[in-house]
Amino acid sequence: DTGVSQDPRHKITKRGQNVTFRCDPISEHNRLYWYRQTLGQGPEFLTYFQNEAQLEKSRLLSDRFSAERPKGSFSTLEIQRTEQGDSAMYLCASSLAQPGANVLTFGAGSRLTVL
Amino acid sequence: AQSVTQLDSQVPVFEEAPVELRCNYSSSVSVYLFWYVQYPNQGLQLLLKYLSGSTLVESINGFEAEFNKSQTSFHLRKPSVHISDTAEYFCAVSNQGAQKLVFGQGTRLTINP
Repeated sequence: DTGVSQDPRHKITKRGQNVTFRCDPISEHNRLYWYRQTLGQGPEFLTYFQNEAQLEKSRLLSDRFSAERPKGSFSTLEIQRTEQGDSAMYLCASSLAQPGANVLTFGAGSRLTVL
Repeated sequence: AQSVTQLDSQVPVFEEAPVELRCNYSSSVSVYLFWYVQYPNQGLQLLLKYLSGSTLVESINGFEAEFNKSQTSFHLRKPSVHISDTAEYFCAVSNQGAQKLVFGQGTRLTINP
């Protein structure tokens, strides 16, 4: 297993278009997270799944954003009617649910530019 | 609610000099603490973590961080930096029992020859 994979790595789109990002977690990890990182800032939590259940969503996740993890493996993050303020790096991470701390492994990210 | 403050957005140092990257957190419950590093054009990588036990934790590449509960800090230090340490460093906190990490805004470490 090569870690957390994200696709595409870069996406340029026009305002108003829809975009979808995919994340493939480490295979034995049952938790999957989405974060957003803008220039000069730390990653901000968007949402997380345990298996196929979406257990928490940030208030940052407006109704234009939707995330799914239909079979508890890969996940998609869709942004509808993109706005210039959506330009950011979208990070996916995964972890194994176990007693104690939750140690996240991150992917390289998907960079979105909205023109 | 948890929060993390990294007091310096940029830290320039000379090669082989010591460095300290500061991190303070706010939480009403017990926490786990992490430092992640992001090298240019790469994803976040875990550098070190404090979960329990000894308050001084070390990474394999010479960094160390000390958990100070009374000062709610988790500063990162290295006695002698190398050019290859050039990166952005993020401090993160997780409440015990919580599932997500809350990150600071990052500190860009620049090493000058």
